Amino acid sequence: DTGVSQNPRHKITKRGQNVTFRCDPISEHNRLYWYRQTLGQGPEFLTYFQNEAQLEKSRLLSDRFSAERPKGSFSTLEIQRTEQGDSAMYLCASSPPRDRTQYFGPGTRLTVL
Amino acid sequence: QQPVQSPQAVILREGEDAVINCSSSKALYSVHWYRQKHGEAPVFLMILLKGGEQKGHDKISASFNEKKQQSSLYLTASQLSYSGTYFCGTENEDSGYALNFGKGTSLLVTP
Repeated sequence: DTGVSQNPRHKITKRGQNVTFRCDPISEHNRLYWYRQTLGQGPEFLTYFQNEAQLEKSRLLSDRFSAERPKGSFSTLEIQRTEQGDSAMYLCASSPPRDRTQYFGPGTRLTVL
Repeated sequence: QQPVQSPQAVILREGEDAVINCSSSKALYSVHWYRQKHGEAPVFLMILLKGGEQKGHDKISASFNEKKQQSSLYLTASQLSYSGTYFCGTENEDSGYALNFGKGTSLLVTP
């Protein structure tokens, strides 16, 4: 089975730049989630999609963050005007229909200098 | 809403057992358990749903006390490969599918 894939795996950027990450879920998984994880902490929920609809977004999520899943398959997460506090591992997960299990991808590690 | 995990860390000898606890202040719909090794993605272990349905690993078991809003993960006859950080993720009755994760329990199994 092909798992959840994320690209790039690592991204180093300068403060103020925009970055975009991509997530490809497991085939036929209809729900897709984005989480953020910092060192020593558990993943923190950002947002999730059911097919192409964004159904929930964390209240902690700054308006500099935006996510899309235009055709209900892959998703992108964009961070505008990055700040040093955005440095973290960004994790994507997906779930099949009628199943609440979330399968995580390898993550994209963002470093903002 | 973040669940509380205990203990924070535990060291075992190979073959010993361990219990990791997870408790929430809110009513829970489900509890998800994951193991994460350094620099890797969380790996799904077990899901426990309100009403008693479970799905997961054949060498790891767990319990879910809905009334107390608590779950425990039981690791028996631990192996070296069990080392890592264990996270519980809780789904509240009003949180949709979003998971709230605890801070994790670091487990080290030594020979």
